[in-house]
Amino acid sequence: GAVVSQHPSWVICKSGTSVKIECRSLDFQATTMFWYRQFPKQSLMLMATSNEGSKATYEQGVEKDKFLINHASLTLSTLTVTSAHPEDSSFYICSARYGRVGSEAFFGQGTRLTVV
Amino acid sequence: DAKTTQPNSMESNEEEPVHLPCNHSTISGTDYIHWYRQLPSQGPEYVIHGLTSNVNNRMASLAIAEDRKSSTLILHRATLRDAAVYYCILGNSGGSNYKLTFGKGTLLTVNP
Repeated sequence: GAVVSQHPSWVICKSGTSVKIECRSLDFQATTMFWYRQFPKQSLMLMATSNEGSKATYEQGVEKDKFLINHASLTLSTLTVTSAHPEDSSFYICSARYGRVGSEAFFGQGTRLTVV
Repeated sequence: DAKTTQPNSMESNEEEPVHLPCNHSTISGTDYIHWYRQLPSQGPEYVIHGLTSNVNNRMASLAIAEDRKSSTLILHRATLRDAAVYYCILGNSGGSNYKLTFGKGTLLTVNP
């Protein structure tokens, strides 16, 4: 299957700082990328959907000013957690798909964010 | 979003077939049925997907009911590496609005 690379795999940051997570599709052009958050023993929660060159669409309850998403190219999307707090500590996962109707999505390996 | 219903957990023995069920009674005509699986502390892995016809690939088979209100993921010979949480998801079509919303999934335990 196609490869989606997420970086970093884990990050520890101080409360109040910002953290950027990168998501790259290595061998295909991703017209759409998704960002998820997963708390321990829970399922993935979709945060936002981004299409290349346009603004991200956030799910209800997700603060767009806190979770900044940029999808500047067909192979790269970034999620920036601004002014992180301990409650933002979670497992963040991106996925990407190309635009063919019904095509599957491929997922990154996830980023473990710990805010101290 | 159309929702799916899966058993919370299932158990299997190594080298035996596993049938993981999924109900999706509110599926629309253009919804694709996707299956992903996730190991602890990893991102989900694509398993298989289909629309109406049964599908086979190197990992699994997907059997879709004629009325499309249910489907079954079939692992032909379970191995210990197949132990994971399996998610059945409906990919709602519609171009730029396509998204995959995860439910709770089925935790598959494989006994040696």
